[in-house]
Amino acid sequence: ELKVEQNPLFLSMQEGKNYTIYCNYSTTSDRLYWYRQDPGKSLESLFVLLSNGAVKQEGRLMASLDTKARLSTLHITAAVHDLSATYFCAVDTSGTYKYIFGTGTRLKVLA
Amino acid sequence: DGGITQSPKYLFRKEGQNVTLSCEQNLNHDAMYWYRQDPGQGLRLIYYSQIVNDFQKGDIAEGYSVSREKKESFPLTVTSAQKNPTAFYLCASIGGQTYGYTFGSGTRLTVV
Repeated sequence: ELKVEQNPLFLSMQEGKNYTIYCNYSTTSDRLYWYRQDPGKSLESLFVLLSNGAVKQEGRLMASLDTKARLSTLHITAAVHDLSATYFCAVDTSGTYKYIFGTGTRLKVLA
Repeated sequence: DGGITQSPKYLFRKEGQNVTLSCEQNLNHDAMYWYRQDPGQGLRLIYYSQIVNDFQKGDIAEGYSVSREKKESFPLTVTSAQKNPTAFYLCASIGGQTYGYTFGSGTRLTVV
């Protein structure tokens, strides 16, 4: 059974600081997705990573995928308050488009 | 604009009552999914459909039912057999791996 684990579960950080969220998964997959969820809202797509070594960047967020280590990272550079949200990674199991979601990382950026 | 529409946004269910959540998409996507999210938790797959008139159980299908009579529509019924239905329900569709899921805005179901 595929398991997807994120850490940390909660992250409180000061504006201007850098930090990394980790997403580990337990079986082989080369399709990983990152989403953002604001309180009470749906999920918004951030990044699509489809191969080993894939790196995507958008603004202060950068995501990478290491399929051999079964690890994806979401790096935050110079955090701002607007980045406060819950971030989820999701892994596609055996190409069936059935995503298994991580537990989520609740990020709070303090002014 | 293309997208996924879920309705209603809020739904209240009495004990022993069946309720149906609507999910409609105009993205021409073949595959559609229903996920459940409990407070502070990740998403868990209830049912999914990869083609019209066919659907499969996800990880937590007990107490739920679906139909897929049209490509655009994938309604979810929460039956009285679901003992703890209070949650946020999200519908998604996908047209290919390149873009991943597109989500609807969700339905928040509460038992009263």
